[in-house]
Amino acid sequence: EVQVVESGGGLVQPGGSLRLSCVTSGFAFTTYAMSWVRQAPGKGLEWVSAIGADSAGTHYADSVKGRFTISRDESKNTLFLQMNSLRAEDTAVYYCARPISGRAGTRWFDPWGQGTLVTVSS
Amino acid sequence: DIQMTQSPSSVSASVGDRVTITCRASQGISSSLAWYQQKPRKAPKLLIYAASSLQSGVPSRFSGSGSGTDFTLTISSLQPEDLGTYYCQQANSFPLTFGGGTKVEIK
Repeated sequence: EVQVVESGGGLVQPGGSLRLSCVTSGFAFTTYAMSWVRQAPGKGLEWVSAIGADSAGTHYADSVKGRFTISRDESKNTLFLQMNSLRAEDTAVYYCARPISGRAGTRWFDPWGQGTLVTVSS
Repeated sequence: DIQMTQSPSSVSASVGDRVTITCRASQGISSSLAWYQQKPRKAPKLLIYAASSLQSGVPSRFSGSGSGTDFTLTISSLQPEDLGTYYCQQANSFPLTFGGGTKVEIK
């Protein structure tokens, strides 16, 4: 069974840092690009970042560029999101999402993890 | 960036009704569009990809159509379990973008 499980969320002060993890299983992690998508409370979905298979290229939303860094550890089948200089507007549930196939350019997602809540507040 | 505009923002319909949701892209995206369903406090679920391909396990009452800038998600016969919020997403280019969502309620 394909699974993606996020962790690492929590309460952090403005300006602080947090590192999210997404542990995957049930598929060949090295052959899939991966993405992070977030959802602020009561709001819609916002794509945050993507990383290619074998770390071949990264992409970011303008709202997080220069503050967030996506990475992956192939030996641990794990995706990361390092979040620095956090702001109140970064408060959201962060989802890890896998494309439906490992074919390059596939950018629709299934499955998604259950999400991890990040709250930025003093 | 490609902007995705969904309409309506909400719809209330009876069980058995046909429901149509539209999504418009600010520029042409060929067939690079997906539709998701999100139930309260749950992760989104992929329904349709490549504008009209039904994801495995999704009931056949869901269908998608369109290409270029205008797309449609249709629920042919609304069921009680279809309540939730539906989002379109363009997959043509980064940054990937989502529509604002359409909340479907059962009368």
